[in-house]
Amino acid sequence: EVQLQQSGPEVGRPGSSVKISCKASGYTFTDYVMNWVKQSPGQGLEWIGWIDPEYGSTDYAEKFKKKATLTADTSSNTAYIQLSSLTSEDTATYFCARSTEGIVSSLDYWGQGVMVTVSS
Amino acid sequence: DIQMTQSPPVLSASVGDRVTLSCKASQNINKNLDWYQQKHGEAPKLLIYYTNNLQTGIPSRFSGSGSGTDYTLTISSLQPEDVATYYCYQYNSGWTFGGGTKLELK
Repeated sequence: EVQLQQSGPEVGRPGSSVKISCKASGYTFTDYVMNWVKQSPGQGLEWIGWIDPEYGSTDYAEKFKKKATLTADTSSNTAYIQLSSLTSEDTATYFCARSTEGIVSSLDYWGQGVMVTVSS
Repeated sequence: DIQMTQSPPVLSASVGDRVTLSCKASQNINKNLDWYQQKHGEAPKLLIYYTNNLQTGIPSRFSGSGSGTDYTLTISSLQPEDVATYYCYQYNSGWTFGGGTKLELK
């Protein structure tokens, strides 16, 4: 059974960074691209970017290029997103989601989401 | 960047109704479009992929259609468990979600 287990809620101070994880199981981690999606409170979904765990290649939505850094650890089958220079705009739930096939494809499995709160 | 516009933003319907949700792209997306359902407090779930393909385990009352810039999700007979927000998502050029349609019971 494919599962994406994300880490717990995070609280970050303005100006700091947070790093959240997404541990994959039930499939070969390096065979599928991992995406990250943001959902601000009461708002819709925003695609942040993807990482190919096999090669470490990434792509980001323009607005997240200076905000998010995607990495992957193939030894632990875990994908990460680091959010830097936190502001109140970064308060949101962040989901990881697996692409079905390559980078031009659907998102078939999702993590449960991680709430990040930016507060002083 | 491709913009995705969903309408209506909120839809109220009764159990048993046929419901149609719309998604319009700012340019041709060649049917590279999915529909996702998100219930309150949950992660999104893939319903329909590549315009009209039903994801495994999704009830057959859900269907998708469209081409070019205009796409539709149809629920043939609305059930109480269908109350959710529905998002379209294109991956033809970049990756973009629509703003969502919140489906409520009347």
